[in-house]
Amino acid sequence: NAGVTQTPKFQVLKTGQSMTLQCAQDMNHEYMSWYRQDPGMGLRLIHYSVGAGITDQGEVPNGYNVSRSTTEDFPLRLLSAAPSQTSVYFCASSPGHEQYFGPGTRLTVT
Amino acid sequence: LAKTTQPISMDSYEGQEVNITCSHNNIATNDYITWYQQFPSQGPRFIIQGYKTKVTNEVASLFIPADRKSSTLSLPRVSLSDTAVYYCLVGDLSDTGRRALTFGSGTRLQVQP
Repeated sequence: NAGVTQTPKFQVLKTGQSMTLQCAQDMNHEYMSWYRQDPGMGLRLIHYSVGAGITDQGEVPNGYNVSRSTTEDFPLRLLSAAPSQTSVYFCASSPGHEQYFGPGTRLTVT
Repeated sequence: LAKTTQPISMDSYEGQEVNITCSHNNIATNDYITWYQQFPSQGPRFIIQGYKTKVTNEVASLFIPADRKSSTLSLPRVSLSDTAVYYCLVGDLSDTGRRALTFGSGTRLQVQP
């Protein structure tokens, strides 16, 4: 099992550009989520999904869209990147009681 | 959602036992308490989880008093490799309740030789 994989590892965007952060898991977990972590801070929940076709907002959803067409994939879209979205983004999946995190994507918006 | 409060940082020495306490005064009946460990440039890693009383696994123990308004993560005989940030999470993990699990600011543990 590869676990939770994220691509890309690093990305630099210009203000106003859009992009999609990819997240995939091969553990057949229903629950997946996206977090962002700013320097020296804890993780903040952006969006989450309790199964294919079902998504919901976390505490900081503005500027981000998600979709969940399959159990395996949960992409995060930045619609129009802003410097405030410079952060490390973590995707996680869960079978129930514990979350498995990916290695993260470090995003810089200039 | 139950809000959690943890100390910002703690220092210890190798071989000592470390106890990190988390306060969660408005914990709900269905909420579980989960602790994660995070090293720099890595995603958090699950350590332990519990609902009440005491839970022990190969790396840590979790103590939860009867009122469940706090919990204590205990790391026996820490080593330098235990230097990390530790997060306490409180949330409903049932199929219908597994919603917005959120992380607090965490406790930065520094282990000295």
